[in-house]
Amino acid sequence: EVQLVESGGGLVQPGGSLRLSCAVSGFPVSSYEMNWVRQAPGKGLEWLSYISSSGRNLFYADSVRGRFTISRDNANNSLYLQINSLTAEDTAVYYCARRAVCDFWGQGTLVTVSS
Amino acid sequence: DIQLTQSPSFLSASVGDSVTITCRASQGISTYLAWYQQRPGKAPKLLISAASTLQSGVPSRVSGSGTGTEFTLTISSLQPEDSATYYCQQLDTFPRTFGPGTKVDIK
Repeated sequence: EVQLVESGGGLVQPGGSLRLSCAVSGFPVSSYEMNWVRQAPGKGLEWLSYISSSGRNLFYADSVRGRFTISRDNANNSLYLQINSLTAEDTAVYYCARRAVCDFWGQGTLVTVSS
Repeated sequence: DIQLTQSPSFLSASVGDSVTITCRASQGISTYLAWYQQRPGKAPKLLISAASTLQSGVPSRVSGSGTGTEFTLTISSLQPEDSATYYCQQLDTFPRTFGPGTKVDIK
């Protein structure tokens, strides 16, 4: 069974950092494209970042490029998103999703940026 | 960046009705478009890929069409469980933008 479980969210002060994790089961993360998508409270979906199956191709939304870094650990079958220099506008539920077309999603992890 | 617009932003319909949501792209994207359903408090669910390919387990009363810059999602014989927000997403180029969403309410 395919499962994606995000963790690592929480309350963080402006300017702070977090590392979000997406634990994957049911398929090898090393063989699939993966994405991060977020949703601010009461707002729509915002695509953030993509990593190719080879791991060599990384893409980011303009709003997070230079602050967010996508990576994966094949041995632990996990995907990560390092998020730095956080502002209130980064407050959102962060989802990981499999494949370019996002066929499976995790349940999300909430990041709240507030002093 | 490719911009997506959706219309309407909100619609209310009765059980059994047929509804259509339109997604327009700011430039041609062939059929590189997906549709998602998101119920309140839940993660999005993929309904359609490649503009018209229904995902396994999605009811056949859901259909998608279009190519280029204009796409539609149609739900025929609306059911109570179709109450949700629907998003389109273009998969042609990065950044992989989503449309703003269409909220469907069941009267």
